[in-house]
Amino acid sequence: QVQLVQSGAEVKKPGSSVKVSCKASGGTFSSYAISWVRQAPGQGLEWMGGIIPIFGTANYAQKFQGRVTITADESTSTAYMELSSLRSEDTAVYYCARTVYGPGGGVAFDIWGQGTMVTVSS
Amino acid sequence: SSELTQDPAVSVALGQTVRITCQGDSLRSYYASWYQQKPGQAPVLVIYGKNNRPSGIPDRFSGSSSGNTASLTITGAQAEDEADYYCNSRDSSGNHHVVFGGGTKLTVL
Repeated sequence: QVQLVQSGAEVKKPGSSVKVSCKASGGTFSSYAISWVRQAPGQGLEWMGGIIPIFGTANYAQKFQGRVTITADESTSTAYMELSSLRSEDTAVYYCARTVYGPGGGVAFDIWGQGTMVTVSS
Repeated sequence: SSELTQDPAVSVALGQTVRITCQGDSLRSYYASWYQQKPGQAPVLVIYGKNNRPSGIPDRFSGSSSGNTASLTITGAQAEDEADYYCNSRDSSGNHHVVFGGGTKLTVL
């Protein structure tokens, strides 16, 4: 069974960047999309964007356009999410999730990483 | 873009049936998926597609859809079902984006 293991917690200064990794093990990596979802303390889930490793093209939520970069390295079965120009409002748990598309175009995030806490503080 | 709307909180008596709803224009075109999240844990997929449960999800969880509303029903709610529940779907604007509902806190009394 595929597992997604994320990198550890980060503490960053405002204005800096953070790069979170998500390594897949136990199954096929390239043929599935990987999405990134964040959750601010006490708040709901927010989709940031995603990538299909075999194609290498990422898709971003409008809110994060220009600030987020999602990439994937097929050779190491690892996806990355880099967020720049960090501000305090970016303090959140960041999750990666395997993304599957079903009949009728529905989307489901069936396997999740354990989450990475990113704290932005001066 | 589109939005998905959920009631912030719902309660159910132990062993009774509860329905959690999710409304949005995109649900006229795409099925919703549902996620359960307990404090300090990553979300878990419980329903996807028309009404599909991943392996390991109890059959008391079911999904349905009508018009712009998707529903997650728990038949015979258990204490361990107390959690936050989120819906999501494809964005109907055709840009392959994804949108989440704001989440529903389920309390089992």
